[in-house]
Amino acid sequence: AQKITQTQPGMFVQEKEAVTLDCTYDTSDPSYGLFWYKQPSSGEMIFLIYQGSYDQQNATEGRYSLNFQKARKSANLVISASQLGDSAMYFCAMREGRGGATNKLIFGTGTLLAVQP
Amino acid sequence: GAVVSQHPSWVICKSGTSVKIECRSLDFQATTMFWYRQFPKQSLMLMATSNEGSKATYEQGVEKDKFLINHASLTLSTLTVTSAHPEDSSFYICSARTPLKGRKDTQYFGPGTRLTVL
Repeated sequence: AQKITQTQPGMFVQEKEAVTLDCTYDTSDPSYGLFWYKQPSSGEMIFLIYQGSYDQQNATEGRYSLNFQKARKSANLVISASQLGDSAMYFCAMREGRGGATNKLIFGTGTLLAVQP
Repeated sequence: GAVVSQHPSWVICKSGTSVKIECRSLDFQATTMFWYRQFPKQSLMLMATSNEGSKATYEQGVEKDKFLINHASLTLSTLTVTSAHPEDSSFYICSARTPLKGRKDTQYFGPGTRLTVL
């Protein structure tokens, strides 16, 4: 069974508008972490935001916020005031367990975001 | 902080040769690094977990004799693709886990190495 699901292969958004990228996950571990990474055409993976399963509040980092709905097992990324430089591939990832040296990240298939001027 | 570098950024080699890719954590020590492979328009697939001072842990289906991993120091892990063939052509990315204060056990990624085997 897929552990991380990103159902949107691609999305368009107008510059300056907000956009939500969907991510659902599946785990039986009560302790886990959820991550979003951005991969521009250059290939580097850029860490955006992290949400721990026990965090009471939704994570925010500048224009990025994570809409964490634990009961629905969803961790959608919201980008406010989109910029042209936001055009990239976005990956949702999950780490099961409390962390530790060997906990692995499992990645979704990604969503390609194109910001239109 | 939390900068990870990779070298080379791209490499073209002949079939049958071996290629070594380096992954360095520049401003922190990483007891664990991870090696991923990414085919065009696909997600990252974990190949192996590299542990400083011990043997790497390989994911199912990854040939350990084909992809040699050495993690000799707290800041350097190397991936050697031995006897490379065209099907090994891919984008290889490493990451390092850093327990920096304020960071929640995050993996930071290198810029990747694009390998083309002719």
